[in-house]
Amino acid sequence: GENVEQHPSTLSVQEGDSAVIKCTYSDSASNYFPWYKQELGKGPQLIIDIRSNVGEKKDQRIAVTLNKTAKHFSLHITETQPEDSAVYFCAALRRGNGGFKTIFGAGTRLFVKA
Amino acid sequence: DSGVTQTPKHLITATGQRVTLRCSPRSGDLSVYWYQQSLDQGLQFLIQYYNGEERAKGNILERFSAQQFPDLHSELNLSSLELGDSALYFCASSTGGLGNQPQHFGDGTRLSIL
Repeated sequence: GENVEQHPSTLSVQEGDSAVIKCTYSDSASNYFPWYKQELGKGPQLIIDIRSNVGEKKDQRIAVTLNKTAKHFSLHITETQPEDSAVYFCAALRRGNGGFKTIFGAGTRLFVKA
Repeated sequence: DSGVTQTPKHLITATGQRVTLRCSPRSGDLSVYWYQQSLDQGLQFLIQYYNGEERAKGNILERFSAQQFPDLHSELNLSSLELGDSALYFCASSTGGLGNQPQHFGDGTRLSIL
């Protein structure tokens, strides 16, 4: 199948706390996993990505971990700020009969309370 | 600003009609991707073009078609429109054609079918 499951669908945290979003994928051939942030009225914006030959990647307050054996990957945001409030999407790239396709999770709506 | 331009921003039309959505990719990008975003389906990959040729195909309906022109801009044509086609349609672009590079999204076209 081509499913990417994402949890939770909604996440509310206090400013300064950490937020964790988890995704699982079904195709073991998937090798590229981007994360996107979508603000109201805007298109998704890439915030971090990870490839299958790497277990962890960090960029300032954002980190992503990948467990290929378990087929899951997670986004970690530390020291959350109100401007982190948005919808976050995980995605996985897989190759099928129709070429390479990016399959998105259903999204997580993150609320950061000041 | 992602550098990807989509027009129009909003489109209101009736069932049975045909519309054309336009996308100008980021300067230097050869790939263009089209996605549909609806409340109940999330972000769904429709089709990808690379340097004028179809590269990958998702769950695109037969009533929908796309093309990429020599100047690399792309158009998505939707015909025999149904109420269920109401959604946000996003275009994204990337430099390469394999999908394993960051995709830069436009701000979308909101299509409303009355």
